[in-house]
Amino acid sequence: QKEVEQNSGPLSVPEGAIASLNCTYSDRVSQSFFWYRQYSGKSPELIMSIYSNGDKEDGRFTAQLNKASQYVSLLIRDSQPSDSATYLCAVRNQGGKLIFGQGTELSVKP
Amino acid sequence: NAGVTQTPKFQVLKTGQSMTLQCAQDMNHNSMYWYRQDPGMGLRLIYYSASEGTTDKGEVPNGYNVSRLNKREFSLRLESAAPSQTSVYFCASSGWDGTDTQYFGPGTRLTVL
Repeated sequence: QKEVEQNSGPLSVPEGAIASLNCTYSDRVSQSFFWYRQYSGKSPELIMSIYSNGDKEDGRFTAQLNKASQYVSLLIRDSQPSDSATYLCAVRNQGGKLIFGQGTELSVKP
Repeated sequence: NAGVTQTPKFQVLKTGQSMTLQCAQDMNHNSMYWYRQDPGMGLRLIYYSASEGTTDKGEVPNGYNVSRLNKREFSLRLESAAPSQTSVYFCASSGWDGTDTQYFGPGTRLTVL
């Protein structure tokens, strides 16, 4: 089992819809969770971090964490074509290293 | 404030050649990292440096060496390049600003023929 798993996609949603991106992780003691966005040919940039169970909202983005289920998700409300990118889930493991999932490609259609 | 810079942006090598990828950050961060990104594999940690003077292996260190030259600079060396090292290489840095965020450089696209 990979340490951090994501559906590779592509996930296609119409403009204005909610995009839901999911991530599971295997290290039960992980405490820090991150979502990075990566446009094609560019470097990853952090969009959300979450450290405790529940929801964390920032503008159109909501990160959700459920440590009991070892599950973290990212919701993008009112999706825009400019949100089309690959979204990388990252988890800091017990050894302190950041482990990335393979990324989910999101396509928002006008 | 340039953030994290990397040179070169593109490089083509022949099998067996050597080269060094350079990385520098101007955010006064203690920690620096080298990742490689391959299609469908996400980002994989090659080496990292938690502070000036220390380096440690990541998930895929074979075939690479690193040097933390000072607090700003962290270089990655390929001594004898192999086609399996064809990848995009990202340098990142982080400092404790309350978020433990890693900031990435623009990447180096390396092709080994």
